[in-house]
Amino acid sequence: GAVVSQHPSWVICKSGTSVKIECRSLDFQATTMFWYRQFPKQSLMLMATSNEGSKATYEQGVEKDKFLINHASLTLSTLTVTSAHPEDSSFYICSAPKTERDRASYEQYFGPGTRLTVT
Amino acid sequence: AQTVTQSQPEMSVQEAETVTLSCTYDTSESDYYLFWYKQPPSRQMILVIRQEAYKQQNATENRFSVNFQKAAKSFSLKISDSQLGDAAMYFCAYQGGSEKLVFGKGTKLTVNP
Repeated sequence: GAVVSQHPSWVICKSGTSVKIECRSLDFQATTMFWYRQFPKQSLMLMATSNEGSKATYEQGVEKDKFLINHASLTLSTLTVTSAHPEDSSFYICSAPKTERDRASYEQYFGPGTRLTVT
Repeated sequence: AQTVTQSQPEMSVQEAETVTLSCTYDTSESDYYLFWYKQPPSRQMILVIRQEAYKQQNATENRFSVNFQKAAKSFSLKISDSQLGDAAMYFCAYQGGSEKLVFGKGTKLTVNP
């Protein structure tokens, strides 16, 4: 199956600093990628849709100036958490959909996630 | 907006037994996909099974099968011959025309030896 990677897998940063998380599709091109946030013992909540070559689309309630998304190529999307605060500590997951030509097979491939701790 | 409801926060099953996880959804779309994902302690999301709404036949993948009732908007997952490795969080998810996945709150499955 297709592979999506994330880097870093775990990052600790100080309050007020910015941190960048990368999401890469390793063996397929992804014009769209999705970013989720998952708090402990909770479900995945979609934050934004990353579109290659255009602006990201943010879900209601997500601050676009705080969570900057850049989809610079067909295999890379980045999420930058700016001026991070302890409440931004969470597990961030990306996914990329892959559709077979005849649409008989559709699946979203998930990255392994990035654990962000803000101190 | 589409919603997905998993009414069982936790379930347990004896090893080798069968368990069914419930999921209902709400949508006005006619063409969509439904998924069950497994999230073990590693937190890597793993696709368990997928159902296309236009297919009447219930999807099966080895020990995993679904009961898809389109009119009732119900999509339950049956795990047969449960194994210790099946212990995880299970999320039901809906995906319509926007390609966005909408997740339920999840069911924590415990498998007892």
